[in-house]
Formats: sequence, structure tokens, C-alpha cells
Amino acid sequence: LAKTTQPISMDSYEGQEVNITCSHNNIATNDYITWYQQFPSQGPRFIIQGYKTKVTNEVASLFIPADRKSSTLSLPRVSLSDTAVYYCLVAILEYGNKLVFGAGTILRVKS
Amino acid sequence: DAGVIQSPRHEVTEMGQEVTLRCKPISGHNSLFWYRQTMMRGLELLIYFNNNVPIDDSGMPEDRFSAKMPNASFSTLKIQPSEPRDSAVYFCASSLSGKENEQFFGPGTRLTVL
Repeated sequence: LAKTTQPISMDSYEGQEVNITCSHNNIATNDYITWYQQFPSQGPRFIIQGYKTKVTNEVASLFIPADRKSSTLSLPRVSLSDTAVYYCLVAILEYGNKLVFGAGTILRVKS
Repeated sequence: DAGVIQSPRHEVTEMGQEVTLRCKPISGHNSLFWYRQTMMRGLELLIYFNNNVPIDDSGMPEDRFSAKMPNASFSTLKIQPSEPRDSAVYFCASSLSGKENEQFFGPGTRLTVL
């Protein structure tokens, strides 16, 4: 069974809102759900983290339902510079709460 | 702060040679991670140190891989002997203790084993 599931890729246009969902059925109950962004030839960069409900910062929003079996990263009004790979990071219960990155979602923003 | 520093940025070597990758974490960060990233397997955690002690090395592929952290400001990942299937980008990341979900990544080392 996959530890997490994310769409492989998504396409969007400038100015649109983009929502990327990560499914994680069996995560630790007391750990944050975290999202990262990675540009080509760079390391991943922390974007946002949350425990439950909704979190918003200057870059994105994160929606987490009560059962915490998924999380949705929301990028408002994307621009070309948001083209990147987005990863969720969660602690997996069956692996002793080990932090595991998802496979990543390639977001392509077009003009 | 300069962020996490990794060297070399690129390494090309021949099969059978020893490869040593280096990492300097952010000052004050007590947790350090080594990752390997490939197209096929994505971002894999190889080993995680806390306060210079290896906590989880379950991701280390085999005995050819070894990692050390002799002090709080330096870590190495060694591959001996290297094989073509070790070709990948290797990232080092660091974080504060207790905030391991908020990791700061270095620029990575692109390793090519011929």
C-alpha cells in the first residue's frame, strides 16, 4: 500500500487557484502535516504546515479534514514562478511515525 | 546564515571508486538528514541524526553506504564501492530538534557513477 498518494501532475493558468491533495490514510495522530516546494536543481523548501482545519500564510493555505486522512494545499492566483514540484510530508504510523515525503505533484503554470 | 552547505555540487566517478559527500548544517540545528532523489524512487530518507547520533538508518541501501556526524557542524555520506545505480541527487537537510517536519535543505550533490 502506498504511504501517501498525490496526483502526478497538474496544469493551470496564471491567476487561477490551484488545489493539490495528498491522501494519507495512516498518519501519526500528533504530528503536523507539512508541504514543500521544489524548483529544478534546488532542494525542497518548506511552505506550510498544519495539524487540523485550516492554516494560511503569505504563500498558501492548507486544509485538513477532521479525520486527517488527506490534506489540500491551496495556492491562490498562481503565477509562472509557481511552476514546481509540491510534496506532502507526513509521519507514517506503520513505520514508527517516520517522516515520509510523498511522490510529489508537478505543477505547470501556463500564461 | 548561509543555509545548509553541501559539497561537492557535482561528482562524476567511475564504478568501484569511493565517493564522499559532505554537509554542514545550519548552526544551532540538532537534527540532520541525508536524502537520495531519483526519478524512479523520488525523495528517500537514507539516515537521520539527532545530536550527532544516528537515530534512523533504515533507509541506507546496503553496507556500501555509511554516514558519520563527528560533530554538530559536519556530516559525511560515503559510498564505497560506488555503482552506476547510485547515480542520483543527494540532499542534506537540517532542522531544530522537535521540529523535524520543518527541514531546511541544501542545494544537493549530483552524483554520476559511470
